[in-house]
Amino acid sequence: ETGVTQTPRHLVMGMTNKKSLKCEQHLGHNAMYWYKQSAKKPLELMFVYSLEERVENNSVPSRFSPECPNSSHLFLHLHTLQPEDSALYLCASSPLGGLYTEAFFGQGTRLTVV
Amino acid sequence: GQQVMQIPQYQHVQEGEDFTTYCNSSTTLSNIQWYKQRPGGHPVFLIQLVKSGEVKKQKRLTFQFGEAKKNSSLHITATQTTDVGTYFCAGHGAGKSTFGDGTTLTVKP
Repeated sequence: ETGVTQTPRHLVMGMTNKKSLKCEQHLGHNAMYWYKQSAKKPLELMFVYSLEERVENNSVPSRFSPECPNSSHLFLHLHTLQPEDSALYLCASSPLGGLYTEAFFGQGTRLTVV
Repeated sequence: GQQVMQIPQYQHVQEGEDFTTYCNSSTTLSNIQWYKQRPGGHPVFLIQLVKSGEVKKQKRLTFQFGEAKKNSSLHITATQTTDVGTYFCAGHGAGKSTFGDGTTLTVKP
């Protein structure tokens, strides 16, 4: 148990569906991240939130929409995805003042788009 | 933009042999971190290096940060089967964070 919990662990969705990934951290951290991990690519940083404010958006398509309602929760809303979006989506958090430092990862959501 | 290259991509060793993975950045880094991801698991933080020329040890693991803060290495002495997994470096600089492709280590008993 890392203190960062992601749900669901597995998700299969059609290209016309709308779904959301949830991340919750119980570590008192103030920075949270979404990463995409594909089979043939390195970890790709998608979004960064610091103190609930988005500080980085790495040219991610608009079909991915993040939401950070408070410092403990992070969502990734998905709509009209493509099969190439199938990947492991990882959430991570790091402490205040620790943006881009030690990151604690959740176990990920394995997403399959059919 | 910032690029982080990690080599080798794969390494197969006999148990008891040493292992080293190297990470090279195209730009000077503020810090570099190392993570380990077991098969089917998620990345787990190992260590962070901040200072030029820094060397840190964790039991059989030795981490180094280059003098120019553009390269780093992770060395494992006398590998064990529990060392299997993919080792990632993550370089941070100029407000950007970039992971290397990872080195996947397999250990033959």
